[in-house]
Amino acid sequence: EIVMTQSPATLSVSPGERATLSCRASQSVSSNLAWYQQKPGQVPRLLIYGASTRATGIPARFSGSGSGTEFTLTISSLQSEDFAAYHCQHYSNWPHTFGQGTKLEIK
Amino acid sequence: QVQLVESGGGLVKPGGSLRLSCAASGFTFSDFYMSWVRQAPGKGLEWVARISGGGTTTNYVDSVQGRFTISRDDAKKSLSLQMNNLRVDDTAVYFCARGGARYGDSWGQGTLVTVSS
Repeated sequence: EIVMTQSPATLSVSPGERATLSCRASQSVSSNLAWYQQKPGQVPRLLIYGASTRATGIPARFSGSGSGTEFTLTISSLQSEDFAAYHCQHYSNWPHTFGQGTKLEIK
Repeated sequence: QVQLVESGGGLVKPGGSLRLSCAASGFTFSDFYMSWVRQAPGKGLEWVARISGGGTTTNYVDSVQGRFTISRDDAKKSLSLQMNNLRVDDTAVYFCARGGARYGDSWGQGTLVTVSS
């Protein structure tokens, strides 16, 4: 099973600033990587797939990069609605596994 | 638009059984892998099981293999998860998700399963 590790666990950023979230895989997953946003009490929303392709309706301020074992989700200018938990997930093989999540909070 | 509505959650004793259901609408159900993903209270997400369109292929995470069974009825646009021999650590919100070959692009609101004596 591929282990996904996200860092940091909690990230404090001011509105309008850039946020950079990291996700590392225990072995190469190529570009088979997705990112999700989850607000408290809500369901996960797909943001990025294929490591860098934005899902339908996702604003351009969200961008994903990386391949192999190292991945980054960048939010270029934080809006109030962006403060949430973010999860990475690989789909290189079964089982698909998630990172433990990064909570993005207001500084 | 895509809609996924789960039902069947509740409180059950360790060793008990529960059957979750997911009613789908707004898309051609039979064309898609479907999955169950769970989230224990305050924890991350765990992909529990997936099933291919038509039901020919199923996969389970090791922790539920042999206890849970995923199934689907493409004519009724319905997904199910039969959970047997439930354990305390199965306590979670269970989400129905469209997808499973790769990622989940639509999710239901979830149904809470609590396993406790």
